[in-house]
Amino acid sequence: RKEVEQDPGPFNVPEGATVAFNCTYSNSASQSFFWYRQDCRKEPKLLMSVYSSGNEDGRFTAQLNRASQYISLLIRDSKLSDSATYLCVADQTGKLIFGQGTTLQVKP
Amino acid sequence: GAVVSQHPSRVICKSGTSVKIECRSLDFQATTMFWYRQFPKQSLMLMATSNEGSKATYEQGVEKDKFLINHASLTLSTLTVTSAHPEDSSFYICSARDLGTFVYEQYFGPGTRLTVT
Repeated sequence: RKEVEQDPGPFNVPEGATVAFNCTYSNSASQSFFWYRQDCRKEPKLLMSVYSSGNEDGRFTAQLNRASQYISLLIRDSKLSDSATYLCVADQTGKLIFGQGTTLQVKP
Repeated sequence: GAVVSQHPSRVICKSGTSVKIECRSLDFQATTMFWYRQFPKQSLMLMATSNEGSKATYEQGVEKDKFLINHASLTLSTLTVTSAHPEDSSFYICSARDLGTFVYEQYFGPGTRLTVT
């Protein structure tokens, strides 16, 4: 079993849609979590940090459920520019464990 | 803030040669930098943790004699792929953590795409 698991997708949604990604982690010792965005052939860029139960930044909301060991990312009013791969990441005492990523394609 | 650079961005080398990749934190200091490798359609895999002034810590399955890491200062770490083979062709990305903050976010360099022919 992978330490951080994500549905690879792809998720194909129309502009303006709301889309949610889920991610599960296996190591209960993980303390911090992140969502990174990675565009094709580029480096990951930090989208959101999740230290407690959740975080919200504009159209993006992340939630953490430690009891169930899952993290979610909700994107509201999706834009064409949101098309990318979204990486769920768990921090284990400084070491980042990446999920394989979920691909989002927003269509006009 | 929190900008990390990598050089070169792309390199093509012949099998058997060595390639050095530099990772710099431009506007912050980092005692710890991380080196990742990403194969096509796969996620990032941590190769090693680079510590300023001490030996790097390698992940299981990563050959330390093949992937030499030097972290000479608080803003520079280098990864040297020695005796490169075609299977070493990959996207190599470094990251750094900002010493001046209390959070655990890592900032990534733009990556180096290595092709070994």
